[in-house]
Amino acid sequence: AQSVTQLGSHVSVSEGALVLLRCNYSSSVPPYLFWYVQYPNQGLQLLLKYTSAATLVKGINGFEAEFKKSETSFHLTKPSAHMSDAAEYFCAVTELSGTYKYIFGTGTRLKVLA
Amino acid sequence: SQTIHQWPATLVQPVGSPLSLECTVEGTSNPNLYWYRQAAGRGLQLLFYSVGIGQISSEVPQNLSASRPQDRQFILSSKKLLLSDSGFYLCASLQPVKGTEAFFGQGTRLTVV
Repeated sequence: AQSVTQLGSHVSVSEGALVLLRCNYSSSVPPYLFWYVQYPNQGLQLLLKYTSAATLVKGINGFEAEFKKSETSFHLTKPSAHMSDAAEYFCAVTELSGTYKYIFGTGTRLKVLA
Repeated sequence: SQTIHQWPATLVQPVGSPLSLECTVEGTSNPNLYWYRQAAGRGLQLLFYSVGIGQISSEVPQNLSASRPQDRQFILSSKKLLLSDSGFYLCASLQPVKGTEAFFGQGTRLTVV
C-alpha cells in the first residue's frame, strides 16, 4: 500500500530564509505526488505535482520540489520565505486505480518569523 | 478548472442531532468525489469516495454516511451526531485520469456540543 510521511509537524523559519519541508513516500510503482497548501479555515490549494516528467517540479508562489527515486523523497523548497507562506502544507500520493484516492501526509505547519 | 461549493461554512450542532453537509461541483462532469475529515493535528482522513451516481465506498467505520444523488452532488449525513464527529470536513473532486489534481471546497467547520 502507498503511504506518505512528512517529517516535522511544525517548522519555523525566518523571513527570507530557505524553506524545506520534507516528504517521503512509499510506493511499489512510480507514484504521482502532490503538494498542497492550506490557509486557516480554508480548503486545500495545489502547489505543484509530479507526474513522471521532469524530476524538478516548479509550482506556484516560488515553491519547487524534487523527485528523488533513490531516496523515495519529494521535498518542498522555497529559497526565500515570505510572511504570507505561513500555512499548513500537505504532501500526497494518489492511488493509480480507478478510485484515484489521495493519501495524505499528516501535514507540516510552517511558521515564518519576522 | 473545477469549483467546489460546500455549505454551510460553520456549524454548531448538539450531540444526537442529525447532520447534512452538501457539496456541489461546477466545471466538470463524471468526477470522482471524496469526503475528508481533518481533526486537529491528525491530517486528512478519507471518509467516503464515489466514482459515480449512487456508488459510495466507505473508508472507515463510523457514525456518518454519504450519498451521491446527482453526478455533481455529494452529501455527508448523520442521524445522530457524536462529540467525536467534530472536525473540519472537506469535499474534493477530481477527474479519474492518472496524475490529475484534486480540487477542494472551502470546508465546513463542524462543532458538536
